[in-house]
Amino acid sequence: GAVVSQHPSRVICKSGTSVKIECRSLDFQATTMFWYRQFPKQSLMLMATSNEGSKATYEQGVEKDKFLINHASLTLSTLTVTSAHPEDSSFYICSAHRDRANEQFFGPGTRLTVL
Amino acid sequence: KQEVTQIPAALSVPEGENLVLNCSFTDSAIYNLQWFRQDPGKGLTSLLLIQSSQREQTSGRLNASLDKSSGRSTLYIAASQPGDSATYLCAPGSGNTGKLIFGQGTTLQVKP
Repeated sequence: GAVVSQHPSRVICKSGTSVKIECRSLDFQATTMFWYRQFPKQSLMLMATSNEGSKATYEQGVEKDKFLINHASLTLSTLTVTSAHPEDSSFYICSAHRDRANEQFFGPGTRLTVL
Repeated sequence: KQEVTQIPAALSVPEGENLVLNCSFTDSAIYNLQWFRQDPGKGLTSLLLIQSSQREQTSGRLNASLDKSSGRSTLYIAASQPGDSATYLCAPGSGNTGKLIFGQGTTLQVKP
């Protein structure tokens, strides 16, 4: 159990377009999900905490109007990168928090390339 | 603000060796601590979860210890294999939402 999926796994887009990434917990409900980004050869940087039914909490330095997060149900959170630019190219990873064990389970990640 | 340091940053060992990866964190008010494995270009695989009230957890050849008061955790890998080659990440969690802060990781290479 405790599987988290992300879609798409890879996306290439043009500068100025918006890209939506989905994160789903497949076999458990997640009140809280997290979004991270990872640059090559670097560790994961927490971007925001996504709470079901309420606004996301963004980490310092992360533009909330740039990275829109919606957590519409207990199994789905979405991250939309608006007006993407090449510097937004990165590996985006989500995780879902399972309350029972206070443990996070991670998705396989989405590789975003902005041309 | 929680800061996490992992030592060494990289490690190369021959197959069969036992090894220890170190993790230290500045804020000892943690709820739990997780160790993860990441293969190149892939997501994270959870290896071990230690609750703040626990001292260690074991899974197969892996053993993780936690000394919350001194802000330290170690991951012990017994009888290393080439398949263990990956980056290992330590992440203490705070609060009941499980917010994780990651270290920079230790990149392990096990040579056949």
